[in-house]
Amino acid sequence: EPEVTQTPSHQVTQMGQEVILRCVPISNHLYFYWYRQILGQKVEFLVSFYNNEISEKSEIFDDQFSVERPDGSNFTLKIRSTKLEDSAMYFCAGSLTETKNIQYFGAGTRLSVL
Amino acid sequence: EDKVVQSPLSLVVHEGDTVTLNCSYEVTNFRSLLWYKQEKKAPTFLFMLTSSGIEKKSGRLSSILDKKELFSILNITATQTGDSAVYLCALSFTSGTYKYIFGTGTRLKVLA
Repeated sequence: EPEVTQTPSHQVTQMGQEVILRCVPISNHLYFYWYRQILGQKVEFLVSFYNNEISEKSEIFDDQFSVERPDGSNFTLKIRSTKLEDSAMYFCAGSLTETKNIQYFGAGTRLSVL
Repeated sequence: EDKVVQSPLSLVVHEGDTVTLNCSYEVTNFRSLLWYKQEKKAPTFLFMLTSSGIEKKSGRLSSILDKKELFSILNITATQTGDSAVYLCALSFTSGTYKYIFGTGTRLKVLA
């Protein structure tokens, strides 16, 4: 069964460094999302992406964040200058056109900012 | 402000027990309510509920939505150790994109 793949599974970085989190969605998915989950807290929506542009973003998704789909398969989340409070699990998700409402999640990337 | 509340936060049962997990919500522009199971990996889809009173069933799991009282329950009968996970309730909306807002989750532990 196809699945959403996220890499790396764990990323450790120094405060102020840039990180890129990668996601390979299921091939026929057209809607993409990033969520994050700070330890002990709820999963929070960051951004949705469709047709090569951002369709919605949350207050969390400030100028330090960006997303792109550079080659039609990978979907990336970049954090330009990481802060301690960016430490979290980041989940990528995708959905089909026919069943847009059902999202399929990757296993997540745990980002640790030191 | 849109809100999703799950209860209990955690639950410990023995194999064979039946459990009921709750999700209540206060949102505008409700589209659907979804249940996911999260083990130490990707959250996996269980059910999507859009209409009141129609039970969704998959094996030992079932779920129902009450749009008047604004809640859903997820039932697991004859629990097994493999049911141990965090169960997430998520809502989607008719406005904007198909983003989800999540509850805190219920952590279920099933003892052998």
